[in-house]
Amino acid sequence: DAGVTQSPTHLIKTRGQQVTLRCSPKSGHDTVSWYQQALGQGPQFIFQYYEEEERQRGNFPDRFSGHQFPNYSSELNVNALLLGDSALYLCASSEDGRGTEAFFGQGTRLTVV
Amino acid sequence: DAKTTQPTSMDCAEGRAANLPCNHSTISGNEYVYWYRQIHSQGPQYIIHGLKNNETNEMASLIITEDRKSSTLILPHATLRDTAVYYCIVRVAGGGTASKLTFGTGTRLQVTL
Repeated sequence: DAGVTQSPTHLIKTRGQQVTLRCSPKSGHDTVSWYQQALGQGPQFIFQYYEEEERQRGNFPDRFSGHQFPNYSSELNVNALLLGDSALYLCASSEDGRGTEAFFGQGTRLTVV
Repeated sequence: DAKTTQPTSMDCAEGRAANLPCNHSTISGNEYVYWYRQIHSQGPQYIIHGLKNNETNEMASLIITEDRKSSTLILPHATLRDTAVYYCIVRVAGGGTASKLTFGTGTRLQVTL
């Protein structure tokens, strides 16, 4: 079992550009959540996807959007990048209805210049 | 989810027990105490969770006070590989809540020779 995998591991983008990050959940997991972690801070919840729908959302602007595919993998899209979007983006998966803990990927380090 | 309070940092000698405290005085009756840790540049890793009884697994022990307002994570024989940021999180268990976590700033544990 490969666990939660994220791609790419590192990314550099220019202000105003758009970025797409990808996540494959742990085998058997159907729920995916995305987090943003700024340097020195704890991860902050962006949103959660279940059954291809956004189920819950944290306090993030509409520039942050996502998608979940029938195979439960997910994408995080960020439009009109700002310097403040530079962070580690983490994906976590769990099993809805039975899962007691979340499994995290290694994250994607996004740098906006 | 209830708010938690943790010390910013702690030191522990290798081979000794590391005791990490967490205060969660506003915890509700159906909320569990979860512990995750994040080793530098990696995604958070689940350690242990409990409701009101003490719990032990291969990684750690969790001691929850009788009034459930505080808890202690115990790493019985800390090693250098246990150096990480430890997060105490209080949440309702089950369902889609498993991967929707509210992280604070955690306790930075430094294990030294």
